[in-house]
Amino acid sequence: KNQVEQSPQSLIILEGKNCTLQCNYTVSPFSNLRWYKQDTGRGPVSLTIMTFSENTKSNGRYTATLDADTKQSSLHITASQLSDSASYICVVNDRGSTLGRLYFGRGTQLTVWP
Amino acid sequence: KAGVTQTPRYLIKTRGQQVTLSCSPISGHRSVSWYQQTPGQGLQFLFEYFSETQRNKGNFPGRFSGRQFSNSRSEMNVSTLELGDSALYLCASNYSENYGYTFGSGTRLTVV
Repeated sequence: KNQVEQSPQSLIILEGKNCTLQCNYTVSPFSNLRWYKQDTGRGPVSLTIMTFSENTKSNGRYTATLDADTKQSSLHITASQLSDSASYICVVNDRGSTLGRLYFGRGTQLTVWP
Repeated sequence: KAGVTQTPRYLIKTRGQQVTLSCSPISGHRSVSWYQQTPGQGLQFLFEYFSETQRNKGNFPGRFSGRQFSNSRSEMNVSTLELGDSALYLCASNYSENYGYTFGSGTRLTVV
């Protein structure tokens, strides 16, 4: 069964600290993995997208890693800011030869305290 | 350039009614997909359209339907609304899978 599991479910950190969010998946065949940031009541916004051959991708203070062998990904946030408070969702695309479909993790709710 | 536009932003309906939600993708994007997001279930895939054809469908009852027009705009319809249909409905469009999906801000549907 295609699944995407994220941990932790929620996380509280102090402003300026770093944190790492985890994503494990069983989706097959794998096409790409994306991390999204979703503010409350808003649509998700793409942070990174990685294909099978990519190990690391950065977007400002966000760095995503992918290990396609162990089917694990992480999102590292450096020097957190209050505006980083949001839900972070890991999404895996199982595309074969068509557009395929997306499988969503339930997200990690990150709260950054001043 | 304009993002994905969803209308209306908020909607309140009573049980048994039907509702139609609209999504205008980014210009040039031919793929539009719909998702339901609830606190208990997270994001769940409803269906995806490409060039006016449904290419993929999630595990939702037949009360949920959609269509895509020749200009790539898409509508989603839910008939015989139930309380459990209360959710944030998100639409996303993309040009090509490796360019990522862009989500709209969603339509918050409340069924009373």
